[in-house]
Amino acid sequence: QKEVEQNSGPLSVPEGAIASLNCTYSDRGSQSFFWYRQYSGKSPELIMSIYSNGDKEDGRFTAQLNKASQYVSLLIRDSQPSDSATYLCAVNEEGAQKLVFGQGTRLTINP
Amino acid sequence: GAGVSQSPSNKVTEKGKDVELRCDPISGHTALYWYRQSLGQGLEFLIYFQGNSAPDKSGLPSDRFSAERTGGSVSTLTIQRTQQEDSAVYLCASSFSETQYFGPGTRLLVL
Repeated sequence: QKEVEQNSGPLSVPEGAIASLNCTYSDRGSQSFFWYRQYSGKSPELIMSIYSNGDKEDGRFTAQLNKASQYVSLLIRDSQPSDSATYLCAVNEEGAQKLVFGQGTRLTINP
Repeated sequence: GAGVSQSPSNKVTEKGKDVELRCDPISGHTALYWYRQSLGQGLEFLIYFQGNSAPDKSGLPSDRFSAERTGGSVSTLTIQRTQQEDSAVYLCASSFSETQYFGPGTRLLVL
């Protein structure tokens, strides 16, 4: 059973600080990793994808991947109240196009 | 371009009735996915289509649930003899590679 684990939170971060979201996965063969953001009552939207070990930066967002540790994280710099949402980690199943989603971490940015 | 669309956006039905939910994927996307999300919960995978065939229908909760896809495009998820526990948001996603793009969802309420 392929699993993706996230701390459900809630994670509370003051405005302007760095929010750090973590995810571990069980399938060593996974090659593709995604972070989705889901606002309350809305559908998930893609924020970042990462495929290689190391960091990938896009604006205030940085995804970090460590395949040896089976760990992927998302850093949000200069957190804004509009970043308050649930963040879903998703990992592909080896040999399949299907993604396995974590349960999500609820993030609240406090003004 | 146009994103994934779903209809209806909301559906209220009585216990025991059948419902059909529709998904129009992004043009050219060969893969289509159905998920269910109950209030405050993560994404529950239901079924995955590659073209018109369903290589993975492992997530369908019971034989009351079925789905089809025609012309490699539109998909319909059918729930027969609805039960109150079927109440949830039903999300559709499509992809060309592994990155999935979600529709707005259908909010189903079974009374």
